[in-house]
Amino acid sequence: DAKTTQPPSMDCAEGRAANLPCNHSTISGNEYVYWYRQIHSQGPQYIIHGLKNNETNEMASLIITEDRKSSTLILPHATLRDTAVYYCTLRLTDKLIFGTGTRLQVFP
Amino acid sequence: DGGITQSPKYLFRKEGQNVTLSCEQNLNHDAMYWYRQDPGQGLRLIYYSQIVNDFQKGDIAEGYSVSREKKESFPLTVTSAQKNPTAFYLCASSPGTGTGGRRSPLHFGNGTRLTVT
Repeated sequence: DAKTTQPPSMDCAEGRAANLPCNHSTISGNEYVYWYRQIHSQGPQYIIHGLKNNETNEMASLIITEDRKSSTLILPHATLRDTAVYYCTLRLTDKLIFGTGTRLQVFP
Repeated sequence: DGGITQSPKYLFRKEGQNVTLSCEQNLNHDAMYWYRQDPGQGLRLIYYSQIVNDFQKGDIAEGYSVSREKKESFPLTVTSAQKNPTAFYLCASSPGTGTGGRRSPLHFGNGTRLTVT
């Protein structure tokens, strides 16, 4: 299974865009990139996913590089409630492999 | 509201006892999963089931057992053979499996925190 690499922590000012990077240099052609976030002591919450094209929904945008070896999750206007651990994962079939994620701290 | 229910939220057991964690979903999803999370760590896959009466081992299945007798239920038993059972356990479900399933996100419950002393 392909692995992902994320920075362990990031800070972001409230109201600013949060850009969370993920490296997945060994991704295979049919693997989807998924992003989840987890607030302490809760289950992970699905944010967004994509295969090749950039995606946007009401929560975030996902930018995938043309070679698919990395991606960036963008929270356009971060709020204090966006403070969480963000996981970038890959999915080919039934297994979803999680790394240790990025702890995003949004400050006032 | 549709969702995944894990119960109880906190569970305490003595070492050497088996314990069963409950997971129920009313999303009509075919696939269900169990993950384990330790402090400061990511999620590790224990078992998953693609369909009723079928399940597969994940990366850390030793010391655990599951059953899938009904579509909506996927209980996890932590046996006395599990050397370090204290952890946060998360159940998830997904609409599909295989090639089509990779386009469908997993939906997670809010977890059961198991403490064994």
